[in-house]
Amino acid sequence: DGGITQSPKYLFRKEGQNVTLSCEQNLNHDAMYWYRQDPGQGLRLIYYSQIVNDFQKGDIAEGYSVSREKKESFPLTVTSAQKNPTAFYLCASSITGSRAGELFFGEGSRLTVL
Amino acid sequence: GQNIDQPTEMTATEGAIVQINCTYQTSGFNGLFWYQQHAGEAPTFLSYNVLDGLEEKGRFSSFLSRSKGYSYLLLKELQMKDSASYLCAATTMFSGGYNKLIFGAGTRLAVHP
Repeated sequence: DGGITQSPKYLFRKEGQNVTLSCEQNLNHDAMYWYRQDPGQGLRLIYYSQIVNDFQKGDIAEGYSVSREKKESFPLTVTSAQKNPTAFYLCASSITGSRAGELFFGEGSRLTVL
Repeated sequence: GQNIDQPTEMTATEGAIVQINCTYQTSGFNGLFWYQQHAGEAPTFLSYNVLDGLEEKGRFSSFLSRSKGYSYLLLKELQMKDSASYLCAATTMFSGGYNKLIFGAGTRLAVHP
């Protein structure tokens, strides 16, 4: 079955540590995205990538980094520079073009900073 | 600026009909999406409107008025499993001509017996 796999589902981090969240898709989608969700707020875009070896900052990219070396993979690193990293992180993919807003989401990764 | 507004919470009775409203202000609008998100889970796609009017899909319908910057999601014959958050999202354009979604904060719907 095609889909998006995120790991780990739950992650605890000490302050000052970098962590990397994995996102893999086998939907053959060109576009991939990382969103952050906080209670009572809408999903906010961290980074996006429309093609391999290219990615762009979203609305809240500070303290995060990504890579897109393969079409299937779009890992997100939460660095120690991110001041409030505790959140629910969602990876998504889509086709490009007019229906690019039809996002397919992974199950999410919940990061807690201790 | 870019803004999506929808009510924070709604309650309804099993078997009833509920309408969740959404107003939006975005530049380069291309279409309006609705997603369903159960607690602790990822959002799933419900509907997409690009033209004015009503799109019906089973028990769910979605309406769009581009001139008014307004959409609603209509849920009929409510079931307990419909208790979830409903996210309204409007498209705008990235630089380079790609679509980008702006999400509202979501409407948390509670269905009671």
